[in-house]
Amino acid sequence: DAGITQSPRHKVTETGTPVTLRCHQTENHRYMYWYRQDPGHGLRLIHYSYGVKDTDKGEVSDGYSVSRSKTEDFLLTLESATSSQTSVYFCAIRKALSTENSPLHFGNGTRLTVT
Amino acid sequence: AQSVTQLDSHVSVSEGTPVLLRCNYSSSYSPSLFWYVQHPNKGLQLLLKYTSAATLVKGINGFEAEFKKSETSFHLTKPSAHMSDAAEYFCVGPGGAGSYQLTFGKGTKLSVIP
Repeated sequence: DAGITQSPRHKVTETGTPVTLRCHQTENHRYMYWYRQDPGHGLRLIHYSYGVKDTDKGEVSDGYSVSRSKTEDFLLTLESATSSQTSVYFCAIRKALSTENSPLHFGNGTRLTVT
Repeated sequence: AQSVTQLDSHVSVSEGTPVLLRCNYSSSYSPSLFWYVQHPNKGLQLLLKYTSAATLVKGINGFEAEFKKSETSFHLTKPSAHMSDAAEYFCVGPGGAGSYQLTFGKGTKLSVIP
């Protein structure tokens, strides 16, 4: 268990409203990731972080921003939610890059519906 | 850009018969490769990971994967399917610049027929 908590677990919001999803980890790992999962697309990387205040874009970053002001928290914000952002969002951590082939460890996901 | 391709979106097998889920990757260096499983309405669980120590990797629940550099493949196999293996399987490999990113294949849904 990598000690990853995502909140909220479910959220319904209206188009145009801002939404923030939170990922919290208890083990102080350096690398954190946000993915979205959609049928037929697998999981696609939105943003990732390699340290406090160090973040970068993934392949589907448009419409999303992230912040990491503390090692344990990685926030994903939808500035103005759209229906195309209806998805299941997964946070993941990676325990080390220096360790050969360090896998991703996932939270339980947040199901977001934008109406 | 790096990519991972799962060659079948859906595989159906009878219980007790072998399972083969295919994955190809593109990488110019020794890659990080993984297989994950996701049961319906559940999270993602690591099945196995490739390490350079061995080309045949054993994972949980009787699954194995063989790394073939010449074919840039990392196919997942199991000798005998069980009903509980019905799930979606994801091959994961290097993506983007540097070693921070991992990219997912689009998934293979495995159905097991009694």
